[in-house]
Amino acid sequence: GENVEQHPSTLSVQEGDSAVIKCTYSDSASNYFPWYKQELGKGPQLIIDIRSNVGEKKDQRIAVTLNKTAKHFSLHITETQPEDSAVYFCAASREGYSTLTFGKGTMLLVSP
Amino acid sequence: DVKVTQSSRYLVKRTGEKVFLECVQDMDHENMFWYRQDPGLGLRLIYFSYDVKMKEKGDIPEGYSVSREKKERFSLILESASTNQTSMYLCASSLLSSGSFTGELFFGEGSRLTVL
Repeated sequence: GENVEQHPSTLSVQEGDSAVIKCTYSDSASNYFPWYKQELGKGPQLIIDIRSNVGEKKDQRIAVTLNKTAKHFSLHITETQPEDSAVYFCAASREGYSTLTFGKGTMLLVSP
Repeated sequence: DVKVTQSSRYLVKRTGEKVFLECVQDMDHENMFWYRQDPGLGLRLIYFSYDVKMKEKGDIPEGYSVSREKKERFSLILESASTNQTSMYLCASSLLSSGSFTGELFFGEGSRLTVL
């Protein structure tokens, strides 16, 4: 089955800095890679996703890059703000499948 | 606004008790999921269901069962709770995935279970 590794487990940055979270996956057939954000006391929420026919996708301050050859994808957050503080999960799946395999999560702390 | 509601935010149970965790979604989604969240272990899939009365084992089904009698409701059952089942339990739902579409997961706020 699929295995998703996520690094780092914790990340502390100053407000305004950039943050990068990296994930690797094992199943070369995986072609759908979403990112979820979990704020304190809430369930995870989808913030961005990417499919394997795309190398990069941006949505305002967040972007995701995908390297299918290396089986590696990353989340980039620019100009971080305190409200970006949360736990972020990457995941992988085959498109059209209902289940996702999640990474172990990264706790991002943005200090004012 | 889409909503997944978990009936209990916090529960404290004793070892050996039978525990029911209830989840209801109002989005007419076909898929429903139960995840367990533990520090350092991320989100692990316990069971999921893609239709009424259908269920599929996830990665860690041992010690759990599920029930889906109605489309909007998915229950997680711990037949005999043990201390190693102390955890945060998250319910989610999504539209049925097919072809080039994988449905977005909508999560509830979680049920924190403590087994003493």
